[in-house]
Order: sequence, then structure tokens, then C-alpha cells
Amino acid sequence: GAGVSQSPRYKVAKRGQDVALRCDPISGHVSLFWYQQALGQGPEFLTYFQNEAQLDKSGLPSDRFFAERPEGSVSTLKIQRTQQEDSAVYLCASSSQGPGANVLTFGAGSRLTVL
Amino acid sequence: AQSVTQLGSHVSVSEGALVLLRCNYSSSVPPYLFWYVQYPNQGLQLLLKYTTGATLVKGINGFEAEFKKSETSFHLTKPSAHMSDAAEYFCAVRGYSSASKIIFGSGTRLSIRP
Repeated sequence: GAGVSQSPRYKVAKRGQDVALRCDPISGHVSLFWYQQALGQGPEFLTYFQNEAQLDKSGLPSDRFFAERPEGSVSTLKIQRTQQEDSAVYLCASSSQGPGANVLTFGAGSRLTVL
Repeated sequence: AQSVTQLGSHVSVSEGALVLLRCNYSSSVPPYLFWYVQYPNQGLQLLLKYTTGATLVKGINGFEAEFKKSETSFHLTKPSAHMSDAAEYFCAVRGYSSASKIIFGSGTRLSIRP
């Protein structure tokens, strides 16, 4: 696609529910990143994929967070047993290799509210 | 380790006045530097970037930034503010590798007074 697409744009979950957030990167982009942005804060790195390989998951806050990119394109961020502190905007970004590798293109984000 | 510090969480200027948003970084190697803008309920949009070469970089919407290695700074400026510039601005740093993650500052909210 022309840009990075994320769905759902808004998600309300009850505490303890599982949620899945989807990211569809720009076609052909090898690298894919997930970020978490709490209200009034800058984005915080969660995890990084190169094709289907998850090369860095150092930012995932707990083992309730899981991300996958099985075919090297679409990625899903899953949060199990959601807690109120998980409320945030989850941003996905992708980049190509070569000269464009230093620029990340971001999606509009998925806003998660945990009640 | 890389990090970014944005001085001032909120800056307010009059329409037509100079905009100056401050950013200092720390990095063990010369980094890539970025400014992103975020409008309400939207994703991050790249304003400009510094990779190599000319230290004064020009971006969209009349913004520019200067990489000053001696001061480890990458301040964002615009000569004349417009009402449409009101948004959240993030400075960011990244290493050379395509696997390097972008590290963001905490952001500066820019307000424009009529």
C-alpha cells in the first residue's frame, strides 16, 4: 500500500482481556518496528523485525506482550490479560533497505484504552 | 547508548514569530538525527533528517535544523510561525544500522498565539 496501515484505530478492552493490533507496512519494506506512546510522552521502542525475524524485543514491557510477523509483511502485536497501564497508542513503522533505510514511515496508530 | 533531550515540554509563540525548539542528543558515534511532527490523532510525520553532509538541513513547511557536533545539538527553527504549525514535535536519534531503533525525545508541544 501507499502507507503504513494500522487496525483497529481505536480499541477499548476490559482489564484482563486479550487484544490484537495489526500493522500492514509499506509493500516491500523489510524492517518493521512497534512503538508504544503513552499520553503526553514520546514513543517508546517495543520490538523490531527484519522480514519475519524478530531481531530485537528488548522494549517489550512484559511477557504479556507478544509480536509476530510470520510471512515478513503484516505484523500483529498481541497483549494478553490487558492492564490499565497498557493504555496507550501503539505505533507501527516500516522502512526499506538501502538508501531509504534510515527513514521510518509511521502508521496513524492504534489507541488502546483498558478499563 | 543513545538518548535525546528536548528542552521545554511546551513552547508558545505568536503567529509570525520565530520558532525555536531545542534538542540535544548523546551518542557514541555520529548519529542520524530526525525531527518528526505529530498532529492530534495522527501518526508521526517526518519533518527533516540529518544523515551526512551539509549540517543545515531543510525540511517541509519551512522548517530547518542545524547539526552542531560540538554542541551535540539539533535545534529546529522556522523564521515565521503559522497557526497550522501547532502540533507536537519530536526529536529523534538513530544509529547507522538499518536494525537500529529510533530513540525519541519526550516531545515539545508548540502553540501559536494569534
